[in-house]
Amino acid sequence: DVKVTQSSRYLVKRTGEKVFLECVQDMDHENMFWYRQDPGLGLRLIYFSYDVKMKEKGDIPEGYSVSREKKERFSLILESASTNQTSMYLCASSFQGGNTEAFFGQGTRLTVV
Amino acid sequence: DQQVKQNSPSLSVQEGRISILNCDYTNSMFDYFLWYKKYPAEGPTFLISISSIKDKNEDGRFTVFLNKSAKHLSLHIVPSQPGDSAVYFCAASPGGGADGLTFGKGTHLIIQP
Repeated sequence: DVKVTQSSRYLVKRTGEKVFLECVQDMDHENMFWYRQDPGLGLRLIYFSYDVKMKEKGDIPEGYSVSREKKERFSLILESASTNQTSMYLCASSFQGGNTEAFFGQGTRLTVV
Repeated sequence: DQQVKQNSPSLSVQEGRISILNCDYTNSMFDYFLWYKKYPAEGPTFLISISSIKDKNEDGRFTVFLNKSAKHLSLHIVPSQPGDSAVYFCAASPGGGADGLTFGKGTHLIIQP
């Protein structure tokens, strides 16, 4: 069974903290993505990676960075958390090449106080 | 500038009737389109997709129609069931899968008994 696992379902962090969101996939996918979902805004792409140690900015990368040291793991880092980063964060992965769907994790609800 | 638009934030349909969800796109480079379903506090799950070389794809109660000249696609669910109540996201990709999916803002479908 296809699986994308995010390390936490719920997180509460303080303003200014450095926050790590972890994502692991077991499908040997080349591509991995981080999105955030906010009411009325849909899903917006933060960063993506198409290979180990490779990363590309998405539509809203400001305030975030990523790390991909292993093929199966993609981490999202909030360098200094702010209240406007309170959101649902969704990790996804997909095969590269051709038309293919992305598989999502269960999401991490992050609250920054 | 929104490249994928879902102009109806919500839609209410009676159980057993047809649900029609609409999506418009502006980027001519998009050639692969997907629909995802999302329940609260869960990640999106893939529902159905269509390639630009087709104008219809069917999977059980779900059918997606693509009108390339109008840059419009729609998802038909028939008959609608209570478990179909969820937020539906339309997504598009330029193909190849490496650049990530561009999502609409979603339509909240409510199936009434």
